[in-house]
Amino acid sequence: EPEVTQTPSHQVTQMGQEVILRCVPISNHLYFYWYRQILGQKVEFLVSFYNNEISEKSEIFDDQFSVERPDGSNFTLKIRSTKLEDSAMYFCASSDGEKIAKNIQYFGAGTRLSVL
Amino acid sequence: KQEVTQIPAALSVPEGENLVLNCSFTDSAIYNLQWFRQDPGKGLTSLLLIQSSQREQTSGRLNASLDKSSGRSTLYIAASQPGDSATYLCAVTQAGTALIFGKGTTLSVSS
Repeated sequence: EPEVTQTPSHQVTQMGQEVILRCVPISNHLYFYWYRQILGQKVEFLVSFYNNEISEKSEIFDDQFSVERPDGSNFTLKIRSTKLEDSAMYFCASSDGEKIAKNIQYFGAGTRLSVL
Repeated sequence: KQEVTQIPAALSVPEGENLVLNCSFTDSAIYNLQWFRQDPGKGLTSLLLIQSSQREQTSGRLNASLDKSSGRSTLYIAASQPGDSATYLCAVTQAGTALIFGKGTTLSVSS
């Protein structure tokens, strides 16, 4: 069964460093998403991406964050200068672009980011 | 601003029991509501999606209902099994495709 894959599973970085989290969405999907979950808190939407541009973003997704689809298979989230509060589980998701009412998003297993 | 709340936060039941998980949302203008399952250290698995025009959806031992006007949904699990132990998340979609999640109910089914 097709699945969303994320690498690495755990990333440790020093405060102020840049990190890139990588995702391979399901191959025929058209919409891509990033969410994060701080330990003990809700899963929060960061950004959605369609047709090579951002379609929606939340207040969390500020200038420190960027997304890119560098080739036909990968989807990346970059955090330019990490802060302690960026420590969280980051989930990538994709969907096939079915109309919104039927839009099922498929999630990867997540990357745990630890900022020291 | 849409808020999604789930109660209870945690639930422990013996194997075989039927149970109900609750989800409420503050703004009834939704496109759909989804129930997800989250296992420790793993991603989210979509269980059921109810479109705003629907009242319920069923998959195996799971039945989800939606009362949009009152801002409520329930997930009914029949004949619970230890393998059902997980965190169950409720999420709604509004203006776009972004999912707005509740905090979840952590279910423990003992054998």
